[in-house]
Amino acid sequence: GAGVSQSPRYKVAKRGQDVALRCDPISGHVSLFWYQQALGQGPEFLTYFQNEAQLDKSGLPSDRFFAERPEGSVSTLKIQRTQQEDSAVYLCASSSDVGAGYTFGSGTRLTVV
Amino acid sequence: GIQVEQSPPDLILQEGANSTLRCNFSDSVNNLQWFHQNPWGQLINLFYIPSGTKQNGRLSATTVATERYSLLYISSSQTTDSGVYFCAVVSGSRLTFGEGTQLTVNP
Repeated sequence: GAGVSQSPRYKVAKRGQDVALRCDPISGHVSLFWYQQALGQGPEFLTYFQNEAQLDKSGLPSDRFFAERPEGSVSTLKIQRTQQEDSAVYLCASSSDVGAGYTFGSGTRLTVV
Repeated sequence: GIQVEQSPPDLILQEGANSTLRCNFSDSVNNLQWFHQNPWGQLINLFYIPSGTKQNGRLSATTVATERYSLLYISSSQTTDSGVYFCAVVSGSRLTFGEGTQLTVNP
């Protein structure tokens, strides 16, 4: 596609519920990144894929967070047993190569109540 | 890890004024990007600038990698320039963001 597409745009989850956030990167971009942005702060790195391989997941805050990109294109970020502190905007970015410019999607705003 | 500091944290301008935003980083980086996050949360890439100077309309950016800083210049500011400006540096495979500069341009 022409840009990075994320869905849903907004998600309200009850505490303890599982959620799945989708990212559709720019066609042909091998690198895909997930970031978490809390209110009033800069985005924080969560995880990085090169094609289908998850090369860096050191930013995932707990084992409740899981990301996958099984065919090297669309990626899903799953959060199990959501907690209030998981409320944030989740941003996806793709890049044609490591160190090349990153293009971000519009994000998914997750609110846990 | 690498540290990215932006200044000023907040900036209020009258329409038509010029401004300079600064980004300092603590270590050598592969690259640097400036983003504008609009009030709807969209991160718009402004510049991808490892070194030197680039210009795009009323905006320009300069990165001096050897001295570990970058500057973003906004001339003849408009109300649509309001939002948060982020500097982000590429180190390895990771993009690390500063805390941003909140810019408000009043009519």
